Amino acid sequence: AQRVTQPEKLLSVFKGAPVELKCNYSYSGSPELFWYVQYSRQRLQLLLRHISRESIKGFTADLNKGETSFHLKKPFAQEEDSAMYYCALSGGSNYKLTFGKGTLLTVNP
Amino acid sequence: NAGVTQTPKFRVLKTGQSMTLLCAQDMNHEYMYWYRQDPGMGLRLIHYSVGEGTTAKGEVPDGYNVSRLKKQNFLLGLESAAPSQTSVYFCASTRTGRGQPQHFGDGTRLSIL
Repeated sequence: AQRVTQPEKLLSVFKGAPVELKCNYSYSGSPELFWYVQYSRQRLQLLLRHISRESIKGFTADLNKGETSFHLKKPFAQEEDSAMYYCALSGGSNYKLTFGKGTLLTVNP
Repeated sequence: NAGVTQTPKFRVLKTGQSMTLLCAQDMNHEYMYWYRQDPGMGLRLIHYSVGEGTTAKGEVPDGYNVSRLKKQNFLLGLESAAPSQTSVYFCASTRTGRGQPQHFGDGTRLSIL
């Protein structure tokens, strides 16, 4: 069975502060990890995927297989980063995604 | 290129009514998915399809049926709506291959009274 845990439902930081959204996973095989972002009442958009090791909008995430984590980080948060963030895991041949319950990030001015 | 389009965007039903949600994608994707999003629960997979003419159950399939008669369309049906099915429904699609992301529609906000 595959499981994704996002321990923080809510996270509030001030503009310019560093932010880290935690994600831990449970999966017996070789997982593919993603971060999706959902701005207020909009569709989910892909933010990052571990396979491409890219930086989008200043966010980065590193897959740590030893700690089974894929934490999302940004050194200087901006107000426009306020959104719901979902960590998701894909395993197996049918590319199903298992989502965490999400973290609502609020960046205060 | 519209991507993934869901219709309708909003709907209010009475308990016991039936309806069908339509998802259409123009990216020639093989795989399509229906999720429901509820506060504090994240997204949960209802049903999915790995190709035209195929469907499979996800995590929370009860009370829903699906059909994939054409590759570009994936329909989600509620035969007898219940208040517990009040939710936001998202459709997604993806192509095959490692690391391919799912592309989501705008969602359908459904209220069952």
